[in-house]
Amino acid sequence: LAKTTQPISMDSYEGQEVNITCSHNNIATNDYITWYQQFPSQGPRFIIQGYKTKVTNEVASLFIPADRKSSTLSLPRVSLSDTAVYYCLVGQTGANNLFFGTGTRLTVIP
Amino acid sequence: DTEVTQTPKHLVMGMTNKKSLKCEQHMGHRAMYWYKQKAKKPPELMFVYSYEKLSINESVPSRFSPECPNSSLLNLHLHALQPEDSALYLCASSQVIESWDTEAFFGQGTRLTVV
Repeated sequence: LAKTTQPISMDSYEGQEVNITCSHNNIATNDYITWYQQFPSQGPRFIIQGYKTKVTNEVASLFIPADRKSSTLSLPRVSLSDTAVYYCLVGQTGANNLFFGTGTRLTVIP
Repeated sequence: DTEVTQTPKHLVMGMTNKKSLKCEQHMGHRAMYWYKQKAKKPPELMFVYSYEKLSINESVPSRFSPECPNSSLLNLHLHALQPEDSALYLCASSQVIESWDTEAFFGQGTRLTVV
């Protein structure tokens, strides 16, 4: 399983764009990259998933460079409700996609 | 319906008690998971069921016993737990574990306290 490394915590002001980078130097050819969001005392929630280049949905964008050794989750114009822990996961099939790393604790400041 | 329902939400049990956690989904998912999460730590995978059969057991102590009676239900039977087993227990489901494009849906969890 590819190990992931993320910043432990980040602070951002409301209305700013936030970029959270995840390092996965040992990513395998068939691995996909998935991001989850977790609020306190709740289960994680799927945000976005990708394999290469750029993926965008109504919540976030995921940027993956050509070497795929890192990925960046981009949250546009964050609000206080985006304060949460964000996890980057890397794996091939479903079960392997569900090993969580340490995550990044994002705090949005008014 | 994209919900995974876990019951109970809170549970306090003694070290000699036997209790069960229940998880239910009606999304037609054939993969179901149990996780344990301690405070300020990431979720740790415990068990994975695929098509109602145990697929992965992450070296979990035998005092935790999973059961998947049908494709919609997942139970976690608890017996002779220790105080250090106190944690948030999360259930999740996804379509199948063979597919790469797995979006897992998580329940709200059961907050377990062992006294």
